[in-house]
Amino acid sequence: EAGVVQSPRYKIIEKKQPVAFWCNPISGHNTLYWYLQNLGQGPELLIRYENEEAVDDSQLPKDRFSAERLKGVDSTLKIQPAELGDSAVYLCASSQGGGETQYFGPGTRLLVL
Amino acid sequence: DAKTTQPPSMDCAEGRAANLPCNHSTISGNEYVYWYRQIHSQGPQYIIHGLKNNETNEMASLIITEDRKSSTLILPHATLRDTAVYYCIVRVAAGGSYIPTFGRGTSLIVHP
Repeated sequence: EAGVVQSPRYKIIEKKQPVAFWCNPISGHNTLYWYLQNLGQGPELLIRYENEEAVDDSQLPKDRFSAERLKGVDSTLKIQPAELGDSAVYLCASSQGGGETQYFGPGTRLLVL
Repeated sequence: DAKTTQPPSMDCAEGRAANLPCNHSTISGNEYVYWYRQIHSQGPQYIIHGLKNNETNEMASLIITEDRKSSTLILPHATLRDTAVYYCIVRVAAGGSYIPTFGRGTSLIVHP
């Protein structure tokens, strides 16, 4: 069974540029999560989707971050414009339901110069 | 969800058991204890979870105290590949809205 797929694995951009991350969850998993992980810290939840509905986005900085999961399968997280402080690892996870075990992708490592 | 406390780092000799403690003194009756680990440059990997009974799978054993205020993850025969950051979190397992809190975890170093 394929795991959670994320792309790209690494991204280097200049500040003020836009950037997008893509996630394909495990087949059949209705719940999708985006996390932010800073160096030396644990993952912090940004947004959670149940199918195509964002049910928990209180931690998402909405002035520059946006996310979508149009068909309830894969998802895109966007930052526009990126700032130096956005340099981090962006993790995607999925689960069969909101209360089920989460499975994580490898993450996208973003460096903003 | 209840918060957890873990030691920032531990080390263990290869082949010996690694016992990683976690304190969750404010855990509620419907909250499960979950353990994940994160190897360098990878996403967190699910290890095991439990409610109040001890659990064992092919990766590890989870011992939860009777009052459920603490737990221990046991890697029975640690290998060098078990070097990772181990996260203990507590969360409601079914439904509801929650924000899982990973904290900084325990950095386990397995040495030869």
